[in-house]
Amino acid sequence: DGGITQSPKYLFRKEGQNVTLSCEQNLNHDAMYWYRQDPGQGLRLIYYSQIVNDFQKGDIAEGYSVSREKKESFPLTVTSAQKNPTAFYLCASSIGQGISAGANVLTFGAGSRLTVL
Amino acid sequence: RKEVEQDPGPFNVPEGATVAFNCTYSNSASQSFFWYRQDCRKEPKLLMSVYSSGNEDGRFTAQLNRASQYISLLIRDSKLSDSATYLCVATYSSASKIIFGSGTRLSIRP
Repeated sequence: DGGITQSPKYLFRKEGQNVTLSCEQNLNHDAMYWYRQDPGQGLRLIYYSQIVNDFQKGDIAEGYSVSREKKESFPLTVTSAQKNPTAFYLCASSIGQGISAGANVLTFGAGSRLTVL
Repeated sequence: RKEVEQDPGPFNVPEGATVAFNCTYSNSASQSFFWYRQDCRKEPKLLMSVYSSGNEDGRFTAQLNRASQYISLLIRDSKLSDSATYLCVATYSSASKIIFGSGTRLSIRP
């Protein structure tokens, strides 16, 4: 079955450490996204990529980095520069590159819950 | 002002009731709209798209009012399993502009 796989599901990090969250999709989607969700709040966009080897900052990119070397993969690194990284991280993908409503329908992975100790 | 605003709730209604919530958006250039459902500690999942003419999917009805810049979701004959957070989404032509509301929490009681 097609879908998005995020790993790990739970991650604990010491202050000052970088961690990388994996996101893989087999939906053949062009666009991929990373969102952060804090308790009781909506989703905030960290980074997005519309095509391989290209990505743009979202609203809260500081302290994060991404790469898009393959269409299927869009890993997110949470660096030590991110001062408050404890959150639920969601990766999503969409067909992208289109003006139809369907092009922007997001499919989400199950999420990665990061806790800083 | 947030680009997409929702009443956070919680809405606490008895099983079988009809419940409706609205979502307002500030940018008139918004092109397409969606409702997502998110269960506790899970990922959001698409509930339904919202079309200009309004659309229905079983017990769920979505409406769009471009003049007043709001969308609505109506749930009829609510079930216990409808308890979740409902996220409103507005999108623009560029991929970065997929804007989520903060969500409305719905709790259905027996």
